[in-house]
Amino acid sequence: AQSVTQPDIHITVSEGASLELRCNYSYGATPYLFWYVQSPGQGLQLLLKYFSGDTLVQGIKGFEAEFKRSQSSFNLRKPSVHWSDAAEYFCAVVPSGGYNKLIFGAGTRLAVHP
Amino acid sequence: SQTIHQWPATLVQPVGSPLSLECTVEGTSNPNLYWYRQAAGRGLQLLFYSVGIGQISSEVPQNLSASRPQDRQFILSSKKLLLSDSGFYLCARASGSNYGYTFGSGTRLTVV
Repeated sequence: AQSVTQPDIHITVSEGASLELRCNYSYGATPYLFWYVQSPGQGLQLLLKYFSGDTLVQGIKGFEAEFKRSQSSFNLRKPSVHWSDAAEYFCAVVPSGGYNKLIFGAGTRLAVHP
Repeated sequence: SQTIHQWPATLVQPVGSPLSLECTVEGTSNPNLYWYRQAAGRGLQLLFYSVGIGQISSEVPQNLSASRPQDRQFILSSKKLLLSDSGFYLCARASGSNYGYTFGSGTRLTVV
């Protein structure tokens, strides 16, 4: 079945530590790929997106993501986490085939310890 | 501007009561519009999408319906709410060919 999987429901890291949030997709053709962040009480903010080209994508707030076709993955990374990064992170895809439907994963909630 | 207006921000409704959530959008005409629901621990689930006036596609079977009576108006409804309809409802639009999405500020619905 077509799906977007974020295997980690909750992740806790210490401030200053590195971060990697996992995302895998299951679609016949490579979809367009996105990462969004939702801070407490805030709306959804786009961190970055990948359509084609360079497989390492730079986003806002110091985030980057790497597309790996062989692994059907689009993992989000940040070298040094700040306390303000505590939020819920969603991987999302737009499958090929029309209507621009944005399909989200279940999300990963990130907690940051001081 | 691709602003989305959603109201109300919060809503508490008894089981069995009707529901109407409204979303209006600004900006370019004939946008693709979407309703999402965010339930605890379940991420953002696409409920309905619309590619034009009167055109509604449902993604999941449920107790809800949607309508698009005008180009920039998207309404989510229910005749009789269930407890399981509780959640955070987001309206969104797709903007342009670069797959930019704009989201409303959402409505938190609690069915009691």
